[in-house]
Amino acid sequence: AQSVAQPEDQVNVAEGNPLTVKCTYSVSGNPYLFWYVQYPNRGLQFLLKYITGDNLVKGSYGFEAEFNKSQTSFHLKKPSALVSDSALYFCAVSPLRGGYQKVTFGTGTKLQVIP
Amino acid sequence: EPEVTQTPSHQVTQMGQEVILRCVPISNHLYFYWYRQILGQKVEFLVSFYNNEISEKSEIFDDQFSVERPDGSNFTLKIRSTKLEDSAMYFCASMNRAGGVGETQYFGPGTRLLVL
Repeated sequence: AQSVAQPEDQVNVAEGNPLTVKCTYSVSGNPYLFWYVQYPNRGLQFLLKYITGDNLVKGSYGFEAEFNKSQTSFHLKKPSALVSDSALYFCAVSPLRGGYQKVTFGTGTKLQVIP
Repeated sequence: EPEVTQTPSHQVTQMGQEVILRCVPISNHLYFYWYRQILGQKVEFLVSFYNNEISEKSEIFDDQFSVERPDGSNFTLKIRSTKLEDSAMYFCASMNRAGGVGETQYFGPGTRLLVL
């Protein structure tokens, strides 16, 4: 079975400071890893994904994530936070295989960027 | 940029009533999904659909649920007899193809269902 853990319910960061939202995963074999963002009363927006290759993945809105296979982690990062980054962030995993690619989500981390 | 759309955005229904949630996936996509998110909880997989049949479903997706692709563009989720605990945000997603490398599921804005 695949699973995702987001250990922090909420992360607070001052505007302009770097931010990290943590994620660890468990999956049989190699993973697809994703980050989605959910703004209030909105759907899930795709941010970035890791499939293979470079461990540092760059995505939308200046976000990036670092895949660490030995630590089974895929932390989301941004060098300089904006107030508009305040939202709910979901890490997700899917097994890297053929098939229908059921995605398992973490519980979400609320990011609050303080002006 | 093409996107997944869902209707209605909000639905209120009485317990025991049937509801149909509608989705229009991205036009060249072949794989379709429903997820739900109970208020304050994580997004949960319900069902995946490919080639006009269910390919995988979760334990949540019991006999009260069904999915259909009635024409070339719509993908629907039906709840036959709603329960209070069905109240949630329901997300539709679509994907171009699986089995290849790097496919992403794109999500619609959701339908917020409230069962009274």
